[in-house]
Amino acid sequence: GESVGLHLPTLSVQEGDNSIINCAYSNSASDYFIWYKQESGKGPQFIIDIRSNMDKRQGQRVTVLLNKTVKHLSLQIAATQPGDSAVYFCAEKLGGGGNKLTFGTGTQLKVEL
Amino acid sequence: EADIYQTPRYLVIGTGKKITLECSQTMGHDKMYWYQQDPGMELHLIHYSYGVNSTEKGDLSSESTVSRIRTEHFPLTLESARPSHTSQYLCASSEFRASGNTIYFGEGSWLTVV
Repeated sequence: GESVGLHLPTLSVQEGDNSIINCAYSNSASDYFIWYKQESGKGPQFIIDIRSNMDKRQGQRVTVLLNKTVKHLSLQIAATQPGDSAVYFCAEKLGGGGNKLTFGTGTQLKVEL
Repeated sequence: EADIYQTPRYLVIGTGKKITLECSQTMGHDKMYWYQQDPGMELHLIHYSYGVNSTEKGDLSSESTVSRIRTEHFPLTLESARPSHTSQYLCASSEFRASGNTIYFGEGSWLTVV
């Protein structure tokens, strides 16, 4: 039978290729965004963040791009490795104080050898 | 890596039982959160706290309650568990970073109510 709630968007990439995971956020008043990685059975792990006054931020092997015009966020992973296989979530925080994050639907990244 | 700990990691209990999920952080963070996550789904905020004696309801209605008597401790309690409470519960805390307030998560507590 069909399992409810397990139909995550899936991105399959070859080991060594670059991965691009996309996220559409909902609120134009959001001023802070975070990408999380969640491996099976574990809690989300912080990857990289970006404020709304920036359009690009780079980390180690990862780059986050923010397009406020179309409310779109992307995570680029360079030279994808098997250890990158996980579910990736973007999260947004509304401006004006407070710290509550709203999470998007995750994307399952599968790295094929 | 954040120092935030949850116990138990996995729990199976009977309907009607009372359960407390423990969460502790050793980073001195003022802000703490509980999120609920069903398999393959997004995280939903159910409770948060901005400091000792501060507790607020999150965006998703929950029958659970929380308390914040000490900065480092933020337990979540279900007085009478039901099968609909079966889910993963994630505790988190946050610090101020130059780029914003980053939330760090524990490993999660998987609760199954039978």
